[in-house]
Amino acid sequence: NAGVTQTPKFQVLKTGQSMTLQCAQDMNHEYMSWYRQDPGMGLRLIHYSVGAGITDQGEVPNGYNVSRSTTEDFPLRLLSAAPSQTSVYFCATGPGHLNTEAFFGQGTRLTVV
Amino acid sequence: TQLLEQSPQFLSIQEGENLTVYCNSSSVFSSLQWYRQEPGEGPVLLVTVVTGGEVKKLKRLTFQFGDARKDSSLHITAAQPGDTGLYLCAGVNTGGFKTIFGAGTRLFVKA
Repeated sequence: NAGVTQTPKFQVLKTGQSMTLQCAQDMNHEYMSWYRQDPGMGLRLIHYSVGAGITDQGEVPNGYNVSRSTTEDFPLRLLSAAPSQTSVYFCATGPGHLNTEAFFGQGTRLTVV
Repeated sequence: TQLLEQSPQFLSIQEGENLTVYCNSSSVFSSLQWYRQEPGEGPVLLVTVVTGGEVKKLKRLTFQFGDARKDSSLHITAAQPGDTGLYLCAGVNTGGFKTIFGAGTRLFVKA
């Protein structure tokens, strides 16, 4: 039982490049979300999904796209990477509503140069 | 914009001491969660509190949700080096699905 799997664990991008961060869960949770964590700022919500086919913006959505074609997968796409997107990205899942983020992945450390 | 303020930001104590971490907001939350995060790992959920005034205990950790559901506290009794980590509080908004995280309290327990 893998839980929440994020790939890759580390990535270096050049400014302007695009890439997709993968997130997969095997707990059949309806709720999935993406966060970025920066020093001294806690975790900030980028996008979230309450079920397949449904996505919505969080606190800091600019520069990122998501889709949710299946319950299991919730990829995060960086359209044109910028140095300000250097961060650690976490995917989270949960059964929904009061327990939205019950399980987190191990994170992807992204550096944009 | 909802904000969650955690205090203190950093705490360094000796093994055996007690401590309390606070999480405060001017907003009402439908639930509040506490997480612990270790370096290089994702946050791990410790507890979810839902009802105003609710108190939950997890071994030496006691969590309380304020009566008005705007604030919470985490009390650790007789801290141990294994308690070292980043403690995060997170509030789920009353709409149901957006979670706001505090900036965290970094705890270091010296043996």
